[in-house]
Amino acid sequence: GAGVSQTPSNKVTEKGKYVELRCDPISGHTALYWYRQSLGQGPEFLIYFQGTGAADDSGLPNDRFFAVRPEGSVSTLKIQRTERGDSAVYLCASNERPGSPLHFGNGTRLTVT
Amino acid sequence: RKEVEQDPGPFNVPEGATVAFNCTYSNSASQSFFWYRQDCRKEPKLLMSVYSSGNEDGRFTAQLNRASQYISLLIRDSKLSDSATYLCVATYNNNDMRFGAGTRLTVKP
Repeated sequence: GAGVSQTPSNKVTEKGKYVELRCDPISGHTALYWYRQSLGQGPEFLIYFQGTGAADDSGLPNDRFFAVRPEGSVSTLKIQRTERGDSAVYLCASNERPGSPLHFGNGTRLTVT
Repeated sequence: RKEVEQDPGPFNVPEGATVAFNCTYSNSASQSFFWYRQDCRKEPKLLMSVYSSGNEDGRFTAQLNRASQYISLLIRDSKLSDSATYLCVATYNNNDMRFGAGTRLTVKP
């Protein structure tokens, strides 16, 4: 079946612009996670949704970052006033139930110039 | 202290070698543990879950030590194709998943 889908695969934007990154999880997976990964580092936790609500958003670095999952399926990560330090690969993952393995999308490579 | 900490590596080993990675986690209430493999410029992929009694999958053995809060991964008879970054994962508050920084393994002929 279809895996986790992330769009776009690459995004180049100028400093100060607004970007939206989309994640479509595996059908039926109730939990959805966003991570950010910089070169040579492990995935850094940003936010975790259980259904429509954010169960834990403690990883969002500041108030420029926001994520929604209005219908409990597709999620959008929104970054306002982008900074060069936001450049990274943004990974989305979903799992069938709490504690089960995560399935990752291919990621969105964000470059802020 | 980071939620999950790993051996920094890198590990460079010859083919056929046995190599072990360790990882510690900070939350004693963590319930689920995994090892993931990540190839260069690819997404992480599940290598194996880690069970309380330890588990084996071919050349790979995972162990969990709850008392000391660490998990380990042993790779026997290393192959060139095992070259990758290995990430350990533990659940944290509310079942969200936290990753270690990863340990890079290079297996050489």
